[in-house]
Amino acid sequence: KAGVTQTPRYLIKTRGQQVTLSCSPISGHRSVSWYQQTPGQGLQFLFEYFSETQRNKGNFPGRFSGRQFSNSRSEMNVSTLELGDSALYLCASSPEGRDTQYFGPGTRLTVL
Amino acid sequence: SQKIEQNSEALNIQEGKTATLTCNYTNYSPAYLQWYRQDPGRGPVFLLLIRENEKEKRKERLKVTFDTTLKQSLFHITASQPADSATYLCALESQAGSARQLTFGSGTQLTVLP
Repeated sequence: KAGVTQTPRYLIKTRGQQVTLSCSPISGHRSVSWYQQTPGQGLQFLFEYFSETQRNKGNFPGRFSGRQFSNSRSEMNVSTLELGDSALYLCASSPEGRDTQYFGPGTRLTVL
Repeated sequence: SQKIEQNSEALNIQEGKTATLTCNYTNYSPAYLQWYRQDPGRGPVFLLLIRENEKEKRKERLKVTFDTTLKQSLFHITASQPADSATYLCALESQAGSARQLTFGSGTQLTVLP
């Protein structure tokens, strides 16, 4: 089976812009979670989608949003980018009801 | 508040020795605990999951213990190799209703010296 894929792998934006990141989960996985990883804060949970519904949300401002499509693919959007949004954004998928997270390679976002 | 702590940011050991990494948690009552490996610039990779009713779990050179009384998990790599050098993360799941959130520790960067 193909693993979790994320596009793009690298992205450079300027403050105030918005960005959309994409994630394709492992075939058959219905749960997709998004994480932000920075050197200072580590790996932090953003939100989880299951069957096109946001099932849980971490402690991030409303500028961070996401959605999931009927084929389980997910997108994450960050509006009005700030310098502090520079991070590695990771997507992870898991089978329905399972515990293990399978991570993608991440998207490295740099905000200038 | 809930907290996960991994014993040190960095750990250096000699090749062939056993590496022991620690994960402590407070204000959790986890049903299980997971360990992941992360290489630079890559996403974490799942290694092992241990449930609250399991004292110990092994996979090849890896061993995980879980003490719910001490609120601690130990992760051992025996006969360590330079290829084991990576950051190791422990993770606990908290659940509210049907919603669940995986919370990660800050990680321990292991370097195995040849």
